[in-house]
Amino acid sequence: DIQLTQSPSSLSASVGDTVIITCRATQGLLNSSAWYQVKPGKAPKLLLYGTSVLASRVPSRFSGNGSRADYTLTITNLQPEDFATYYCQQSYSFPLTFGGGTKVEIK
Amino acid sequence: QVQLQESGPTLVKPSQTLSLTCTVSGASVRNGNDFWTWIRQHPERGLEWIGYISVSGRTFYNPSLRSRLSFSVDTSKNEFSLRMTFMSDADTAVYYCARAPYCGPDCYPPGEYFQDWGQGTPVTVSS
Repeated sequence: DIQLTQSPSSLSASVGDTVIITCRATQGLLNSSAWYQVKPGKAPKLLLYGTSVLASRVPSRFSGNGSRADYTLTITNLQPEDFATYYCQQSYSFPLTFGGGTKVEIK
Repeated sequence: QVQLQESGPTLVKPSQTLSLTCTVSGASVRNGNDFWTWIRQHPERGLEWIGYISVSGRTFYNPSLRSRLSFSVDTSKNEFSLRMTFMSDADTAVYYCARAPYCGPDCYPPGEYFQDWGQGTPVTVSS
């Protein structure tokens, strides 16, 4: 199975900050990565797929980048509604796997 | 807008079988281009892909759970279901259903990411 390691596991940031979350895989993913936002009691939300393709109705302050085994999610101009937990996911091979999550908290 | 809603028991005894259903609105489970997915999140832990099924019956299970799983699709009710046998404490989690668009004949796995999700339903395994 491909393991995904996210860092940091948590961070504190202020409204307006830029946040970068990294996801490192145990092998190359050929850009088969996606990112999700999860809030308690709410349906998780797809943010990006194919490494950098923005999902429908996702604000442009979210962006993704990466190649081989290393991928990043960047949130610029952090907004109050962005405080949540973020997960990366790989679709290079079965079983599909997720990272351990990064909790973004208000400083 | 596609909406999914999980339903089923919140408490299951050890060794029993869990049955969950996901009702879909805003899309048809008959759409052969979608994979209907189950994902779970253990307490204080990350997400785990359980597996997915298409209306044509193509089914992909997480190998770690395969021996205990079966999925089905009911086109008359526009819903799909999960059945997991021999439940234990380790299966206590929030269970989500989701929709994975089919990415085409030239890609594998055939469902790469999860476009729409339900809100999740908590399942506790306890006697």
